[in-house]
Amino acid sequence: SYELTQPPSVSASPGQTASITCSGHNLGAKLGDKYVSWYQQKPGQSPVLLMYQNSRRPSGIPERFSGSNSGDTATLTISGTQAMDEGDYYCQVWVSSLGVFGTGTKVTVL
Amino acid sequence: EVQLVESGGGSVQPGGSLRLSCAASGFALDNYEMNWVRQAPGKGLEWVSFINIYSTTIYYADSVKGRFAVSRDNARNSVFLQMNSLRAEDTAVYYCARETNYRVTSAFDSWGPGTLVTVSS
Repeated sequence: SYELTQPPSVSASPGQTASITCSGHNLGAKLGDKYVSWYQQKPGQSPVLLMYQNSRRPSGIPERFSGSNSGDTATLTISGTQAMDEGDYYCQVWVSSLGVFGTGTKVTVL
Repeated sequence: EVQLVESGGGSVQPGGSLRLSCAASGFALDNYEMNWVRQAPGKGLEWVSFINIYSTTIYYADSVKGRFAVSRDNARNSVFLQMNSLRAEDTAVYYCARETNYRVTSAFDSWGPGTLVTVSS
């Protein structure tokens, strides 16, 4: 089965940088050959699109969020982490027209 | 304002059926492909199904294939998910998600608040 593995949790102090990795397995190709999207989900809320096409931010998403994708790993970086960035983050790709989400990462701002 | 609102969730016994609806407003549904994504309590997101604009291309996750059926009525600005032979592991919040095409890829750019489906005896 297709798998995207993320660390269960990541923590950062306010103002510091938080990085969330997404590793692909059994995708039939390197993750770096695909386009990764990222979603943020705060407690009790629906997911929000944070990043698409690896590194493009939808309108309204702060510049402190950035993304990259190379080899077998995609990375979402939060520069200057703020308390409001706490929540769960999911990577996502399309594999043979099927949607695949990562396992999710809980970001805690200490 | 783009809005997606799911309805039709509830409690059902194993083996039972439910039909979920997703009402779209604030945009032309017939310009977008649509998906269903679910989230079991305390768990991560799981993609469930895709339907293209004309209902000519449909995909399902292996976990629901043969039991769930997605459909849409563009004239009524609605998308549906018929769920049959429900199992305990289908218990989840079901989200309707709009898919926007960004030329080389696509992503879920709008989500509804979700509707809870509980399968239990």
